[in-house]
Amino acid sequence: NAGVMQNPRHLVRRRGQEARLRCSPMKGHSHVYWYRQLPEEGLKFMVYLQKENIIDESGMPKERFSAEFPKEGPSILRIQQVVRGDSAAYFCASSKDRPNTDTQYFGPGTRLTVL
Amino acid sequence: GESVGLHLPTLSVQEGDNSIINCAYSNSASDYFIWYKQESGKGPQFIIDIRSNMDKRQGQRVTVLLNKTVKHLSLQIAATQPGDSAVYFCAENGGNAGNMLTFGGGTRLMVKP
Repeated sequence: NAGVMQNPRHLVRRRGQEARLRCSPMKGHSHVYWYRQLPEEGLKFMVYLQKENIIDESGMPKERFSAEFPKEGPSILRIQQVVRGDSAAYFCASSKDRPNTDTQYFGPGTRLTVL
Repeated sequence: GESVGLHLPTLSVQEGDNSIINCAYSNSASDYFIWYKQESGKGPQFIIDIRSNMDKRQGQRVTVLLNKTVKHLSLQIAATQPGDSAVYFCAENGGNAGNMLTFGGGTRLMVKP
């Protein structure tokens, strides 16, 4: 049973470009979460999605960031017009059931570097 | 705001000794807690979890203790090995209304051979 998969593992973008991060949840999991981690810090919640629905985006910056989890295919975290402050590790997690009842399992992360 | 925090940022132990990593939480509604291990360059790896109706849970070489009275969580690792070297995070789910995990700042465990 494959774990949570994320790609790319490393992504380099210049300021002003777009970054697209992909996440495929564990088999049988329909709840997806995105977290951001700065060096030497804990993970900060960004957004929680179920298939075709954004459930909670309270941790998402108001501009330039968006997320989706389509009926078919992986969840996508999209960052438009990236700035240097967007450089971080972005982790996706998934769970089988609702977040307050089930464990979240994390992917290996995408490390975004903005030049 | 409510938060989860850790007492010690770095813990250095001798191989073979037991390790204890502590965590304090402030959200009294929290009812589910998880410990994660994160090695350099990797994602958080689930270690063990505990629900608020329990005060102790044991896994393989690990034990989690929950003291709801003082809102304190600890992770005990028996016979610590070099492979245990990592950053350990506690996380809580914010109770029934929680849609996210709130992570503490992390404790770096260094195992000396």
